[in-house]
Amino acid sequence: DQQVKQNSPSLSVQEGRISILNCDYTNSMFDYFLWYKKYPAEGPTFLISISSIKDKNEDGRFTVFLNKSAKHLSLHIVPSQPGDSAVYFCAASALLNRDDKIIFGKGTRLHILP
Amino acid sequence: NAGVTQTPKFQVLKTGQSMTLQCAQDMNHEYMSWYRQDPGMGLRLIHYSVGAGITDQGEVPNGYNVSRSTTEDFPLRLLSAAPSQTSVYFCASSAGGVYNEQFFGPGTRLTVL
Repeated sequence: DQQVKQNSPSLSVQEGRISILNCDYTNSMFDYFLWYKKYPAEGPTFLISISSIKDKNEDGRFTVFLNKSAKHLSLHIVPSQPGDSAVYFCAASALLNRDDKIIFGKGTRLHILP
Repeated sequence: NAGVTQTPKFQVLKTGQSMTLQCAQDMNHEYMSWYRQDPGMGLRLIHYSVGAGITDQGEVPNGYNVSRSTTEDFPLRLLSAAPSQTSVYFCASSAGGVYNEQFFGPGTRLTVL
């Protein structure tokens, strides 16, 4: 049973446009969410996170939106750049439960087209 | 500052062989973890540690052992390798558990024949 779902395996976006990557979760205990980015043959790198007490968090070109009632979050990248081509993983954990485990989605491969 | 290092980068084993994947970090992080990444499966947590002497199981712990005798090192042991353990393995560390940024190593690509 997938607790964190990224239903789009891949996404292609024109350079300069907005990239929107989606993530859904099923476990209502999840209250902390993170996005990681991964280039081929490298380890993932942290991008941005959001706690369930917020509905939006911004860091430069990256914004994460959280809709708790829909159990849905999205990562917006504006404007998209060639270096953004990578696999993006959504991850979730239960902070209030003091859970030290994290569940990752299967990832979405983002292609930025010139 | 090397960050998180993993050795070896590549390994081929025969079914039934044992081996240890090494992971070390020089950031004095208390939290360390091991993940495996399989095609189309994302990252799955194998084992984790919140400090020296403390380890616990993740999502997919079967077939793997860990120990944490120092803050810096967190080796992953495969006691009797199986083809199902063919995967890319990532070690990560963090200053504050999974809620803070985890720093990942470059990975070990393991093939079990």
